[in-house]
Amino acid sequence: GAGVSQSPSNKVTEKGKDVELRCDPISGHTALYWYRQSLGQGLEFLIYFQGNSAPDKSGLPSDRFSAERTGGSVSTLTIQRTQQEDSAVYLCASSLITGIPPTDTQYFGPGTRLTVL
Amino acid sequence: QKEVEQDPGPLSVPEGAIVSLNCTYSNSAFQYFMWYRQYSRKGPELLMYTYSSGNKEDGRFTAQVDKSSKYISLFIRDSQPSDSAIYLCAMSVAGSGNTPLVFGKGTRLSVIA
Repeated sequence: GAGVSQSPSNKVTEKGKDVELRCDPISGHTALYWYRQSLGQGLEFLIYFQGNSAPDKSGLPSDRFSAERTGGSVSTLTIQRTQQEDSAVYLCASSLITGIPPTDTQYFGPGTRLTVL
Repeated sequence: QKEVEQDPGPLSVPEGAIVSLNCTYSNSAFQYFMWYRQYSRKGPELLMYTYSSGNKEDGRFTAQVDKSSKYISLFIRDSQPSDSAIYLCAMSVAGSGNTPLVFGKGTRLSVIA
């Protein structure tokens, strides 16, 4: 079946502009995660949505970052007033919540490569 | 000190070699351990998923967990050029379906034909 999809695949923007990144999770997956992968830092957790619960925002680096998930499916990560240090690959993952590994594996999308000039 | 430490490499080996990749961690609450493989310009894909200490084998891949030493390893036997990728260790306190993963920085592996 279809995997996690993300758009755009690449985004180049100017410092100070706002950007929106989109994630379409695997159909039926109730958990959705955003991670950021930057050179030298590895993969870092940003935000987590689980069903109708309040999202876990503990990984967001600043209040310029926000995310929403509409209808329990598609999610959008918004970065306001982008800075050069925001340049990274933004990865989305989704999973079932079964409590039984490995059926609760996180499946990753291909990522959006963001470059802030 | 980061929660998960992983040597970023790069690691270059000849085809057919046995590869050993390792991570150490500091949080004794981690219970679930994973290895992901990431090809260039792609998202990570799950290779191995283990819960308890000990070994788990899948084809040419063996994952090893030593909770007493807070040390995990991935062994690749008969390595192939197609194994060239970044290998990421990941771990979580609860099952990976309902908790964010904590990743190592990844080790870049090149297998030379």
